[in-house]
Amino acid sequence: SQTIHQWPATLVQPVGSPLSLECTVEGTSNPNLYWYRQAAGRGLQLLFYSVGIGQISSEVPQNLSASRPQDRQFILSSKKLLLSDSGFYLCAWRQSVSGANVLTFGAGSRLTVL
Amino acid sequence: QKEVEQNSGPLSVPEGAIASLNCTYSDRVSQSFFWYRQYSGKSPELIMSIYSNGDKEDGRFTAQLNKASQYVSLLIRDSQPSDSATYLCAVNRGYSTLTFGKGTMLLVSP
Repeated sequence: SQTIHQWPATLVQPVGSPLSLECTVEGTSNPNLYWYRQAAGRGLQLLFYSVGIGQISSEVPQNLSASRPQDRQFILSSKKLLLSDSGFYLCAWRQSVSGANVLTFGAGSRLTVL
Repeated sequence: QKEVEQNSGPLSVPEGAIASLNCTYSDRVSQSFFWYRQYSGKSPELIMSIYSNGDKEDGRFTAQLNKASQYVSLLIRDSQPSDSATYLCAVNRGYSTLTFGKGTMLLVSP
């Protein structure tokens, strides 16, 4: 079966500290992968997406970066966190459901920057 | 800036009633549209997708699309307290990247 995993589920980090969030997909190959962020009072914002190993498209310039070192692994990083980086980070992959391409989300990683 | 607009709510309906959720989008070339449900503290889950003008029904849910008016709606029949959640409208921008609205909170009272 096809599943998506994200970790850690929650984390509290001080301002200026580094960040690494990991996402892996099982049961499929060469998936399109996405990182979204949902900040308090705001909608889901697309941060990065990737259509293959080593390929990253950035949607919003900021102090975050993404990497795709393996086919089914997508990593979101920061060298120095800002208060404004707090939010709910969601990884998603493009899945075919009844012949239609839809996005399926992982359980998310909730980040609080203090 | 391509936008998706939703009324933030909350939309309050009694149990058993029909809940009507609405969404407008600005990009005329959008071809596919999605409704997600998000419970508090959880990640969004897909309810329905719709690609053609008209209605699409799945159980208690009906999605309606009007491309000329750039309008998508979701009807929930026989609303249940378990339907209380935030409903997100999303529009495909290409490469399956979705632009989401901020969501409408639905409250179904017993």
